[in-house]
Amino acid sequence: GNSVTQMEGPVTLSEEAFLTINCTYTATGYPSLFWYVQYPGEGLQLLLKATKADDKGSNKGFEATYRKETTSFHLEKGSVQVSDSAVYFCALIAGGKLIFGQGTELSVKP
Amino acid sequence: DTAVSQTPKYLVTQMGNDKSIKCEQNLGHDTMYWYKQDSKKFLKIMFSYNNKELIINETVPNRFSPKSPDKAHLNLHINSLELGDSAVYFCASSHGWTGTGSYGYTFGSGTRLTVV
Repeated sequence: GNSVTQMEGPVTLSEEAFLTINCTYTATGYPSLFWYVQYPGEGLQLLLKATKADDKGSNKGFEATYRKETTSFHLEKGSVQVSDSAVYFCALIAGGKLIFGQGTELSVKP
Repeated sequence: DTAVSQTPKYLVTQMGNDKSIKCEQNLGHDTMYWYKQDSKKFLKIMFSYNNKELIINETVPNRFSPKSPDKAHLNLHINSLELGDSAVYFCASSHGWTGTGSYGYTFGSGTRLTVV
C-alpha cells in the first residue's frame, strides 16, 4: 500500500545549525509529495511540494528534492531559527487521499 | 478572512453525549476532508467529500456521520462519544480531486475534542 516514513523525533538543534529530516515513501506510480508544518496549537500549513521526479520544492529557506530512485523527499534547511520549532509532516497524495508520515518534532534552542 | 474555519476550537464533553463540529471554507474548493490527529500527532483521513458527494469513507465507526449541505461546508456529527474519540479533528479542503493530484490541501486550525 501507499505509505510515508519519517525519521523519528524529537530533533533538537542549536540556532543556525543545518537541518535534515528524512522522508521515504512507498507508492504505486509517481505521487505528488508534500511537506507540511504544524506550529504549536495550530493547524497544518503547506510548506513545500514537488509533483514529479527531480523537482525541488522550496519555501522559507526549506528545500526538498523528489528522488524517484531512492523514493525519498528529505527536508533540509541551511540555518534553522528558534521560530522553526514545530512538527514537520511528509505526505503524499494517492487514491485521492493525502497520506502523512508520523511527523518529526523539531526543537531549536537559542 | 480565514480560509478554512472550524467551530468550536475546543470541545469538552462527557461519554455518551452527541456532538457536532462544523467546517466552512471560502476558497471555492470543491473537495473537503476530515482528518483525526491522535495524541502521538499521527494524522489519518476519515472522510472526503467532492461536490457534496462522499468519496472516501475510511474505517471509521458509524457513530461518526459527516454531512455536506453544500460544497463550502462539511460537518461532523459524533454519537455516543467514547473516551477514545478524544483527539484533534482537522477539516481541510482542496481544489479538485484526482487519484494522484498535485493540489495541496488547506487545513483548518483544528477542534480539540476531550471526552471525560
